[in-house]
Amino acid sequence: ILNVEQSPQSLHVQEGDSTNFTCSFPSSNFYALHWYRWETAKSPEALFVMTLNGDEKKKGRISATLNTKEGYSYLYIKGSQPEDSATYLCAFWYAGKSTFGDGTTLTVKP
Amino acid sequence: DTGVSQNPRHKITKRGQNVTFRCDPISEHNRLYWYRQTLGQGPEFLTYFQNEAQLEKSRLLSDRFSAERPKGSFSTLEIQRTEQGDSAMYLCASSLKETQYFGPGTRLLVL
Repeated sequence: ILNVEQSPQSLHVQEGDSTNFTCSFPSSNFYALHWYRWETAKSPEALFVMTLNGDEKKKGRISATLNTKEGYSYLYIKGSQPEDSATYLCAFWYAGKSTFGDGTTLTVKP
Repeated sequence: DTGVSQNPRHKITKRGQNVTFRCDPISEHNRLYWYRQTLGQGPEFLTYFQNEAQLEKSRLLSDRFSAERPKGSFSTLEIQRTEQGDSAMYLCASSLKETQYFGPGTRLLVL
């Protein structure tokens, strides 16, 4: 059984604050790590697919880093906006399927 | 809209009844996945198909659950003799490679 853990479970920030979340995963047999954003009443949306140790990916104000040797990934949001409010999920991809963490729910207050 | 559709979006049923959900993936995607999600948890893998072949099925899936993808296009997930513990969001996703595109889910409530 693969263990994928995310922290914190939830986060409340003010508009304009920068924030980050952690995803930890098994460091052996690594293939890929995915980040998703899941807004209420919508489908989970893929943000990043990360495959190489040291990978850094960026999409607008959101970026992610990957450390496969120690088994963690960080997701950063710079200057949070209310529209960033969502649950952010990471998923460890191995043997053709994903094992998800329980997510970090971000609430950005105007 | 990711291009993956699921029907119905909501289903309320009585304990003991059978229910069937449908997923229509993005047309060129050969892989299709089913997940179950309960409140406060991430999606939990149920099963996946490559074309029409069911390649893996979670041990969490009891014999009451069955999934098909008869022509390698749409898929159905059937739950027989539903129990209250089956109440959850059932998500479908499709992919060509690793990136999965999710549908909006079917929310099941078993009374």
